[in-house]
Amino acid sequence: DAGVIQSPRHEVTEMGQEVTLRCKPISGHNSLFWYRQTMMRGLELLIYFNNNVPIDDSGMPEDRFSAKMPNASFSTLKIQPSEPRDSAVYFCASSLGTGVHEQYFGPGTRLTVT
Amino acid sequence: RKEVEQDPGPFNVPEGATVAFNCTYSNSASQSFFWYRQDCRKEPKLLMSVYSSGNEDGRFTAQLNRASQYISLLIRDSKLSDSATYLCVVNYTPLVFGKGTRLSVIA
Repeated sequence: DAGVIQSPRHEVTEMGQEVTLRCKPISGHNSLFWYRQTMMRGLELLIYFNNNVPIDDSGMPEDRFSAKMPNASFSTLKIQPSEPRDSAVYFCASSLGTGVHEQYFGPGTRLTVT
Repeated sequence: RKEVEQDPGPFNVPEGATVAFNCTYSNSASQSFFWYRQDCRKEPKLLMSVYSSGNEDGRFTAQLNRASQYISLLIRDSKLSDSATYLCVVNYTPLVFGKGTRLSVIA
């Protein structure tokens, strides 16, 4: 079975450029989560969706970050404009629900902003 | 406030040793608990769920103490391949991940 799919796996971009990260959740999962991980701050929840609807975006650091989930099989996280401090690994995860169920992570996108 | 606290380590142990990690959480209403494992430059993966009665999976034993609000993970007969970061996870809807405990098993 296919797990959570993320693209690209690596992204190097210059400060000020727009970055779009993509995620395909596991088929049948109705919850999707975007995380950012750095050495200093660990794994941070940015935003999550349930049945394609954003439930909590309080973790989104700034207005430069936005996320969409136009359908059950696709989500994007966009950073515009990007800054060097956005450099991190961005993970997408999906689960059968938002509460008690375990989450399954994609391989992540390693973003470097120079 | 949603808090999951773990000792960051690192724990450096010889092969064959037994090692235990603890994790404390602040929300007494939490219902689901998990341990995840994260290898270097990889994504977190579910290691095991933690049940109220305690549960075991091979060399790994997880226990939950609701009264004291902590979760533990015991690894017996450590292998080199156990070297990783272990993340404690608690549900606050959604799940909240601890920052992890780094384990290095040394030959």
